[in-house]
Amino acid sequence: EIQLQESGPGLVKPSQSLSLTCSVTGYTITSGYDWSWIRKFPGNKMEWMGYISNSGSTNYNPSLKSRISITRDTSKNQFFLQLNSVTTEDTATYYCASRHGGYGFAYWGQGTLVTVSS
Amino acid sequence: DIVLTQSPALAVSLGQRATISCKTNQNVDYYGNSYMHWYQQKPGQQPKLLIYLASNLASGIPARFSGRGSGTDFTLTIDPVEADDTATYYCQQSRNLPDTFGAGTKLELK
Repeated sequence: EIQLQESGPGLVKPSQSLSLTCSVTGYTITSGYDWSWIRKFPGNKMEWMGYISNSGSTNYNPSLKSRISITRDTSKNQFFLQLNSVTTEDTATYYCASRHGGYGFAYWGQGTLVTVSS
Repeated sequence: DIVLTQSPALAVSLGQRATISCKTNQNVDYYGNSYMHWYQQKPGQQPKLLIYLASNLASGIPARFSGRGSGTDFTLTIDPVEADDTATYYCQQSRNLPDTFGAGTKLELK
C-alpha cells in the first residue's frame, strides 16, 4: 500500500522559506504517478500547488509564480516543497498526494500544519 | 482557472438520500471522460477519494456513494446516509491545470 508522510517545521517566519518533505513508502516515485503538494487554508479553501512527475518534470500553479520549487531525492524515495518569501497568507495545512494521470488523488499524507508568524 | 461552485452546507436525515452538487464554469470533459473527482474530509483527517472521473467508485468506498454528471454539472449522491458520513465533501477538476477544488459542502444530520 502506498503511504505518504509529510515532515518539516510547523512555524516559519515571514519572508523566510517554507521547506517540507514527503516520504513515500510502498511505491517507488520513479515508477509512475504524479507527486503533488496541496494545501488547505483556514476556512477550508484547498489549493493545488504543483507536482513532480515520475520522470522528474514539474508543473506549478501560476498563482505561486516563482516562489515554488518541487524537487526529489530518488535514493530516499522522497520529494520536497520549497516555498519562498512566505507571508501570513501561506499559513495552511500542507498535504502531499499522488495520482495516476488525470485521475483523482488516491493517496494522501496526513497533512502538516505550517504557521507563518513572527 | 476553472472555477467549481458548491453549496456550503446540506442537512439530511439518517437513512435518507443526500445529493451534493458541483458546477464548473468550463467544460471538464475530454475524449469521453469527465475529469471530475469527489473527496470526503473529516476534521483532523486527510481527504479521501470517493469518486474519480465523475462516476467511478474509488477502491474500498461503499456503494452508497455514487457520482454522475458531465460537462459542467456534477453530483455526488449518498444513499442511504449514515451517521459516519458527516463530513465536508469537495469536488476537484483535473481537466486543465491548475487543478482546482470546490469550496466544499458540509454534510450535517438533521
